[in-house]
Amino acid sequence: SSELTQPPSVSVSPGQTARITCSGDALPQQYSFWYQQKPGQAPVMLIYKDTERPSGIPGRFSGSTSGTEVTLTISGVLPEDEGDYYCQSADSSGKFYVFGGGTKVTVL
Amino acid sequence: EVQLVQSGAEVKKPGESLKISCQGFGYRFNNFWIAWVRQTPEKGLEWMGFIYPEDSDFRYSPSFEGRVTISVDKSISSAFVQWSNLTASDTGIYYCVRKDGSGSGGFDVWGQGTTVSVS
Repeated sequence: SSELTQPPSVSVSPGQTARITCSGDALPQQYSFWYQQKPGQAPVMLIYKDTERPSGIPGRFSGSTSGTEVTLTISGVLPEDEGDYYCQSADSSGKFYVFGGGTKVTVL
Repeated sequence: EVQLVQSGAEVKKPGESLKISCQGFGYRFNNFWIAWVRQTPEKGLEWMGFIYPEDSDFRYSPSFEGRVTISVDKSISSAFVQWSNLTASDTGIYYCVRKDGSGSGGFDVWGQGTTVSVS
């Protein structure tokens, strides 16, 4: 299966840690990526190749992987981190790409 | 600055045809795969397919194959997606995105999006 499953929503208080999971059967074989999307804007890459951060992405964003699940962690959440977060990967063949359904992060 | 600039919003009727564009700036356009991604409230982000400008090699998502055509014009550093017979289900925001050059499969540059409304 090439599906990626994310929780629809996560709520967190400022300064706390948010964890967003993404599960999929092909994740042990394929890299995962994470994107942040704010209202009215295009998504922005936060994490690539499971754990790497593009230049300019704050260090409070980190990625980890364990078997068929990958996790985006936001440490010390700021109000500006509110938005939608999507994981992305490929199917087991690596030929077809897929996105998770997205997780809405609310900063209380 | 590396950027992808897309054409403007479109309002169309069912059965009409449409071609939207995406132009790359600030990098070697020919040497990076360009993908198209649709966003709808119902299905979220969906990868439609991609094309390699240098040789026009392409791959479609099974969900979109036969429904859209992805093309490229190297001479103007532009990629396109077109429909010959729009339906209401084609309504959405369409992003062109650059696949990163490392081959890892992520999308490191996104266009601003083109909103397509069919009704």
